Amino acid sequence: NAGVTQTPKFQVLKTGQSMTLQCAQDMNHNSMYWYRQDPGMGLRLIYYSASEGTTDKGEVPNGYNVSRLNKREFSLRLESAAPSQTSVYFCASSEWLQETQYFGPGTRLLVL
Amino acid sequence: TQLLEQSPQFLSIQEGENLTVYCNSSSVFSSLQWYRQEPGEGPVLLVTVVTGGEVKKLKRLTFQFGDARKDSSLHITAAQPGDTGLYLCAGVRGNNRLAFGKGNQVVVIP
Repeated sequence: NAGVTQTPKFQVLKTGQSMTLQCAQDMNHNSMYWYRQDPGMGLRLIYYSASEGTTDKGEVPNGYNVSRLNKREFSLRLESAAPSQTSVYFCASSEWLQETQYFGPGTRLLVL
Repeated sequence: TQLLEQSPQFLSIQEGENLTVYCNSSSVFSSLQWYRQEPGEGPVLLVTVVTGGEVKKLKRLTFQFGDARKDSSLHITAAQPGDTGLYLCAGVRGNNRLAFGKGNQVVVIP
């Protein structure tokens, strides 16, 4: 049972480059999330999708876009990467918004 | 402003000692979740507390939800090196979204 999978696991970008982080879940969950985690800052919500077909901004959406491709997949795109976006990115899913969240293993991104 | 304040931010103890960490807020939550995150991995749910005053035990871990549902504590008895990790509390707000605290980093020294 894979749960939540994320690709890639590691990525190095140059300032200004773009990339898409992929996330998929096989638990038939309705809600999906993207967080970033930085030292001393905890988990900060970037975007979330309460259900298929909807997306909403979280606490720190600037510089990011998301796509809820279908019920399983929720991608995060950085159009023009900046060093401030160096972080560990976690995707999570839950049956509904208030329920237990299941996290992926994370993507470690370094922007030079 | 952080909705959930966790203290202490960092705690280092010897194996076999007891410890308590706290999660506090001025807001009332309908429920509160505790997660543990090990290095290089995503957070994993430990427990959910729902009723004010509720106490839940998970082996050597005891979780308590405050009577007013604004705060919670996690007590570990006879800590083991395997208890090392970042403990995150998360409260369910009125908009049904979870709000996470910054975490309590616990290190248990063998």
